[in-house]
Amino acid sequence: QKEVEQDPGPLSVPEGAIVSLNCTYSNSAFQYFMWYRQYSRKGPELLMYTYSSGNKEDGRFTAQVDKSSKYISLFIRDSQPSDSATYLCAMTPDTNAGKSTFGDGTTLTVKP
Amino acid sequence: GAVVSQHPSWVICKSGTSVKIECRSLDFQATTMFWYRQFPKQSLMLMATSNEGSKATYEQGVEKDKFLINHASLTLSTLTVTSAHPEDSSFYICSARDLETQRNMQYFGPGTRLTVL
Repeated sequence: QKEVEQDPGPLSVPEGAIVSLNCTYSNSAFQYFMWYRQYSRKGPELLMYTYSSGNKEDGRFTAQVDKSSKYISLFIRDSQPSDSATYLCAMTPDTNAGKSTFGDGTTLTVKP
Repeated sequence: GAVVSQHPSWVICKSGTSVKIECRSLDFQATTMFWYRQFPKQSLMLMATSNEGSKATYEQGVEKDKFLINHASLTLSTLTVTSAHPEDSSFYICSARDLETQRNMQYFGPGTRLTVL
């Protein structure tokens, strides 16, 4: 079983919809939680970064971390066609040598 | 801030030749750099982790003699694919991290598409 499981998708929604992207994990040592967006043939771009449990909002994006359930989510409000991309969750333990463990990604298409 | 560049963005080479890919952190000092490869519609696969001034740590199954990594300065890491073959064709992406200021966030370069004929 993988340390990080991500809903595989693909996900297709109409423009303006609320999108929910989710990951679960098994390693309780993870303390840092990130969401990356990757457009086709490009490197991943850091979208959201959260330390430990809680919510974080940035514009149309909200990241939630529930450490008790080992579950993280990214919500996109008022989705736009430009949000069409692959979204990767990533997690890191709180150690100096910690390397991130990535989910396999969810491909989102927002249709105009 | 936190910009990472890669060069070249794409390269085509003949089988048997070596290819060098550069990864630079432009506005921060990268104590750690990571190299990934990604096949079409698949996830990132970590190849190796390199810390400035020390030897890279390779993931299981990655040939260290084939994928040479050098992290000679706090802003530059290079990946050399030696004696490349068609099966090495892939999208190679580096990421960089400054542990002091960025904790465990990684910033990615735009990637290098390698095609071996």
